[in-house]
Amino acid sequence: DVKVTQSSRYLVKRTGEKVFLECVQDMDHENMFWYRQDPGLGLRLIYFSYDVKMKEKGDIPEGYSVSREKKERFSLILESASTNQTSMYLCASRDFSYNSPLHFGNGTRLTVT
Amino acid sequence: AQKVTQAQTEISVVEKEDVTLDCVYETRDTTYYLFWYKQPPSGELVFLIRRNSFDEQNEISGRYSWNFQKSTSSFNFTITASQVVDSAVYFCALTPLPIIQGAQKLVFGQGTRLTINP
Repeated sequence: DVKVTQSSRYLVKRTGEKVFLECVQDMDHENMFWYRQDPGLGLRLIYFSYDVKMKEKGDIPEGYSVSREKKERFSLILESASTNQTSMYLCASRDFSYNSPLHFGNGTRLTVT
Repeated sequence: AQKVTQAQTEISVVEKEDVTLDCVYETRDTTYYLFWYKQPPSGELVFLIRRNSFDEQNEISGRYSWNFQKSTSSFNFTITASQVVDSAVYFCALTPLPIIQGAQKLVFGQGTRLTINP
């Protein structure tokens, strides 16, 4: 079974802090994704990566950056956290086939105060 | 642009009732895939089904069934004889043909929160 692990389940940070959200997958998947989930808005794509060191902006990349130095790890970075970035963050991965399903982690609930 | 709409924000039914979750999508692509995911209280989204745009056959898996109608751009999900364990948030999603080989942008609907009461 595919395992996608997000380093923290809950995180509380202060406005202006630099925040790192880590995600690791164990199935050698090429593609990894960061989504943000908010009530009434569903899941919105922040960034995705289709290979090591490759990244593409999703629909809401502003205020975020990502890093993929190794195939199994995809990090989401909030350079200067703001209260409107309080949300549930979901990491996902899948293999090279564009129609294969995403496998999700359990999510990180980030609160910025 | 692609868009997925799940107009039902919340649904609450009594156990053993049948319930249908609606999903309407918009895309200009002729080739695309549709998905349904379940998000139980634990938070992890679980893949339920995938359907490609050329296959309009309905699918049944136990108490779950899916009705894909290209003419109305809908991909509805029905749970028959619902159970308390079906309580979750359900998401419908669409992936268009990727511009970059292997890069799949999955576009999600807003989700429907389903509560099954005993």
